[in-house]
Amino acid sequence: EVQLVESGGGLVQPGRSLKLSCAASGFTFSNYGMAWVCQAPTKGLEWVASISTGGGNTYYRDSVKGRFTISRDNAKNTLYLQMDSLRSEDTATYYCARQRGGSLDYWGQGVMVTVSS
Amino acid sequence: ETTVTQSPASLSMAVGEKVSISCKTSTDIDDDMNWYQQKSGEAPKLLISEGNTLRPGVPSRFSSSGYGTDFVFTINNVLLGDEGIYYCQQSDNVPDTFGAGTKLELK
Repeated sequence: EVQLVESGGGLVQPGRSLKLSCAASGFTFSNYGMAWVCQAPTKGLEWVASISTGGGNTYYRDSVKGRFTISRDNAKNTLYLQMDSLRSEDTATYYCARQRGGSLDYWGQGVMVTVSS
Repeated sequence: ETTVTQSPASLSMAVGEKVSISCKTSTDIDDDMNWYQQKSGEAPKLLISEGNTLRPGVPSRFSSSGYGTDFVFTINNVLLGDEGIYYCQQSDNVPDTFGAGTKLELK
């Protein structure tokens, strides 16, 4: 059974950093691209970043470029999102998701990030 | 960036009716459109992937059509358990972009 479990969320002050993790199981992690998608409270879905199977190719939405870094450790079956210089508008639930082609076929349960002083 | 315009924003339907949701893209994306269902308090679930391909285990009441810039998602014989928010997502070019969502309520 495919499982994706996010962790690392919480309350953080503006300008500070947070690192999210996503532990994957039930499939060969190194064979799949992965992505992070966020959802602000009562809002819709927004793609944040994605990473290729080996980690050599990464992609970001404009609003997080230079502040967020997506990475992966295939030996640990774990996806990461390093979030620096956080802003109030980054407040959201962050989901990790497995990529199958361009689709996101499995999603974690999500982790909440709140940026507030 | 490809803009995805989804309509309507909300629907109120009776059990057994047919639901239709539209997504229009600002660029030609071939058939690289995906459809997700999100129930209250849950993560999104992929229903239909690129090429109008129904995911394994998803009832055949769900379907989609379209190519290029115009896409339609359909639920035939809608059931009470279909309540939720439905999103389209284009995966033809980066950044992947989602529609704003359609909230489906059952009367």
